[in-house]
Amino acid sequence: EAGVVQSPRYKIIEKKQPVAFWCNPISGHNTLYWYLQNLGQGPELLIRYENEEAVDDSQLPKDRFSAERLKGVDSTLKIQPAELGDSAVYLCASSFIAGAAYNEQFFGPGTRLTVL
Amino acid sequence: GENVEQHPSTLSVQEGDSAVIKCTYSDSASNYFPWYKQELGKRPQLIIDIRSNVGEKKDQRIAVTLNKTAKHFSLHITETQPEDSAVYFCAASTGPGGGADGLTFGKGTHLIIQP
Repeated sequence: EAGVVQSPRYKIIEKKQPVAFWCNPISGHNTLYWYLQNLGQGPELLIRYENEEAVDDSQLPKDRFSAERLKGVDSTLKIQPAELGDSAVYLCASSFIAGAAYNEQFFGPGTRLTVL
Repeated sequence: GENVEQHPSTLSVQEGDSAVIKCTYSDSASNYFPWYKQELGKRPQLIIDIRSNVGEKKDQRIAVTLNKTAKHFSLHITETQPEDSAVYFCAASTGPGGGADGLTFGKGTHLIIQP
């Protein structure tokens, strides 16, 4: 099966510009996650969706970050305006969660953002 | 919230020797503990995981142990090979079945296998 797809893979922008990242999860996965990974660090959760609903966005900097998953499938993460400190890899992951059933999180290849 | 500490940050072992990476967590409600391997420029990939109702799990050369009382878990790799060189992340999560919630990751261990 196809894995988690993200685009673009790389993005270079100037500070104060907007930027958007797109993620298409594995078919049938109802739960989608966005993580931020700084160089030399582990991923940090930004937001988690169950179908269309954002069930955990406590770590999302809402003054400049926004996300949507309108039809419960693919998702977009936006930054407006971008700051120098936003340079990082943005990872999307998906999973199928049903009650107490266990399923691993599969990660996409990430989008590497460089803010100049 | 959950805090996961991971040690060491860098580990160099001779090919064929064993490697052990240790993690501690703070939230006693955490019930799912995966380990991910990430090669340079690649996506994190799950290599093994353990849930809180199990003390040890093994898959060929890889094993994970969990001590819920002490709130620590460890990754053991035996007979290391050059292809084991990568960054390894431990993580912890809560949720009804484990893994439903977002993962809290450690800072990673750069494992270097010396030929």
